[in-house]
Amino acid sequence: GAVVSQHPSRVICKSGTSVKIECRSLDFQATTMFWYRQFPKQSLMLMATSNEGSKATYEQGVEKDKFLINHASLTLSTLTVTSAHPEDSSFYICSASVRGPGRTQYFGPGTRLTVL
Amino acid sequence: EDQVTQSPEALRLQEGESSSLNCSYTVSGLRGLFWYRQDPGKGPEFLFTLYSAGEEKEKERLKATLTKKESFLHITAPKPEDSATYLCAVQAGGSNYQLIWGAGTKLIIKP
Repeated sequence: GAVVSQHPSRVICKSGTSVKIECRSLDFQATTMFWYRQFPKQSLMLMATSNEGSKATYEQGVEKDKFLINHASLTLSTLTVTSAHPEDSSFYICSASVRGPGRTQYFGPGTRLTVL
Repeated sequence: EDQVTQSPEALRLQEGESSSLNCSYTVSGLRGLFWYRQDPGKGPEFLFTLYSAGEEKEKERLKATLTKKESFLHITAPKPEDSATYLCAVQAGGSNYQLIWGAGTKLIIKP
């Protein structure tokens, strides 16, 4: 139980294009989803928190117009990196949980984005 | 300020050599402490959630314990496949449900 999938697992795109990453909770309804990015040999950095049906809450320093998050249903959240640049190249990971204190976050396998 | 510190940063063990990883924390109102395992190029894999001091949980060769100041992840008779980075995170009191992460312990088990 508690399986989270991400698609695609790897994506290579040209600078200036937009990339969409999907995150799905396969066997539970996730009222809250989180998006992280991780640089090599570093811990996870939270980008934003999204609750189903409401706007995402972005962490300080994360551009909301660049990283568009949509949490349209209890099983799907998407992250769109708009007008991607090489500095956006990173490992993006989503997690899903049921809303509430002490709730476990279950993570997807991650998406490796490379912007040329 | 809420903070999570993991030690050691890296740990090399021989196969079968038991040891412990430490996660110390200072948070206002602990709601949960979480242990994850992360392999290179993959997302974190959930291991344990602990909620209150004195609580213990086990899974195969792993056992997690919790006190009011720290948590230990004990690994008994490890195998090479236990090699990974082990991450500790806590959820503190507050209106959001974000995790505060430690930097992780990279565990290497040599055959």
